[in-house]
Amino acid sequence: AQSVTQLGSHVSVSEGALVLLRCNYSSSVPPYLFWYVQYPNQGLQLLLKYTSAATLVKGINGFEAEFKKSETSFHLTKPSAHMSDAAEYFCAVTKGGTSYGKLTFGQGTILTVHP
Amino acid sequence: GAGVSQSPRYKVAKRGQDVALRCDPISGHVSLFWYQQALGQGPEFLTYFQNEAQLDKSGLPSDRFFAERPEGSVSTLKIQRTQQEDSAVYLCASSLGFGDPVDTQYFGPGTRLTVL
Repeated sequence: AQSVTQLGSHVSVSEGALVLLRCNYSSSVPPYLFWYVQYPNQGLQLLLKYTSAATLVKGINGFEAEFKKSETSFHLTKPSAHMSDAAEYFCAVTKGGTSYGKLTFGQGTILTVHP
Repeated sequence: GAGVSQSPRYKVAKRGQDVALRCDPISGHVSLFWYQQALGQGPEFLTYFQNEAQLDKSGLPSDRFFAERPEGSVSTLKIQRTQQEDSAVYLCASSLGFGDPVDTQYFGPGTRLTVL
């Protein structure tokens, strides 16, 4: 079985500060990992995904994440927060085979950006 | 281009009523997923279609939940005899391929169901 743990249900940063959202996974097989963002009253939007091609993954809006197998982590970072980054962020995992790509999500982290 | 659309966006039902939630995926997308997102939680998988075939319904919480995609495009999630614990946002997602795990899933805005 796979699972995802997001450490910290709420993260607050100042505009211009580093954003770090933590995600640890558990998987019995090599996983595929995703970060999604959800703005109020909108659907989830893919930020980036790890598909084993490269451990450092760059996504949209200046976000990136690094897959660390030894730490079973896939933390999301952005060097400088913008007010527009305020949203809820979800880490998700899936596996190959007959899973059809169904996603298992973490509980989410709400990011607040202060001026 | 058009994304995934869902209707209605909001639905209020009295306990015991039946509801039907509609999903219009991106045109040409083979795969369609339904997820349930309870308040303050991450989405949880309900069911998966590949064209019109329902290949995985392991996440459906009870036999009151039923989903279909008869022509391989629009899908409907039906909940019979709604209960208060069914209150959640129901999300639909579609992807281009045949369940390739690296395919991007494109999500609709969801239907917020409130059962009174």
